[in-house]
Amino acid sequence: AQRVTQPEKLLSVFKGAPVELKCNYSYSGSPELFWYVQYSRQRLQLLLRHISRESIKGFTADLNKGETSFHLKKPFAQEEDSAMYYCALLSLSNYQLIWGAGTKLIIKP
Amino acid sequence: NAGVMQNPRHLVRRRGQEARLRCSPMKGHSHVYWYRQLPEEGLKFMVYLQKENIIDESGMPKERFSAEFPKEGPSILRIQQVVRGDSAAYFCASSPPTSGPRAGELFFGEGSRLTVL
Repeated sequence: AQRVTQPEKLLSVFKGAPVELKCNYSYSGSPELFWYVQYSRQRLQLLLRHISRESIKGFTADLNKGETSFHLKKPFAQEEDSAMYYCALLSLSNYQLIWGAGTKLIIKP
Repeated sequence: NAGVMQNPRHLVRRRGQEARLRCSPMKGHSHVYWYRQLPEEGLKFMVYLQKENIIDESGMPKERFSAEFPKEGPSILRIQQVVRGDSAAYFCASSPPTSGPRAGELFFGEGSRLTVL
């Protein structure tokens, strides 16, 4: 079964602390994974995709096929990082995204 | 390119009335997706459409909900005989052709917030 799991519904860390948002997937094939972010009162937008291998706003995510994970990390959290984060997997059978339930990240001052 | 446009941004309906939500995709996009977000909940897929075709409606409630994406004009999500549980934010997204290097990249609207009294 194709599935994306974000085990934490809510994650709260202090400003300046490292942050890791967990994402695990189940997919038979070569996965293409994404992180989307929704800041307060803004539209959902693409943050990064694993094939780009880039760092956006200080965030990185590494695909770990052995652990079937795609955790989103940032070494030093900023208050403006507070948002809802969604991990998504592209199903190559129908080119649709399979979404995780989302993690609400709160950065405390 | 104005991006994905949704209207109305806010809609208030009484129980039993109908709600119509509209979505104009980005220019050049022929794929539209509708999602629902309940308060304090994550994003839930509802339906995926291409022009004049429903591709996947596995997330749509079987009753009272329908969606269309006509050849001309915006995509419409229609909710008949609304109930309080329909109160949510409804997001539309569009995408370029789904295969190719930009597959998986969705562009979202700002959402339509439905309140059922």
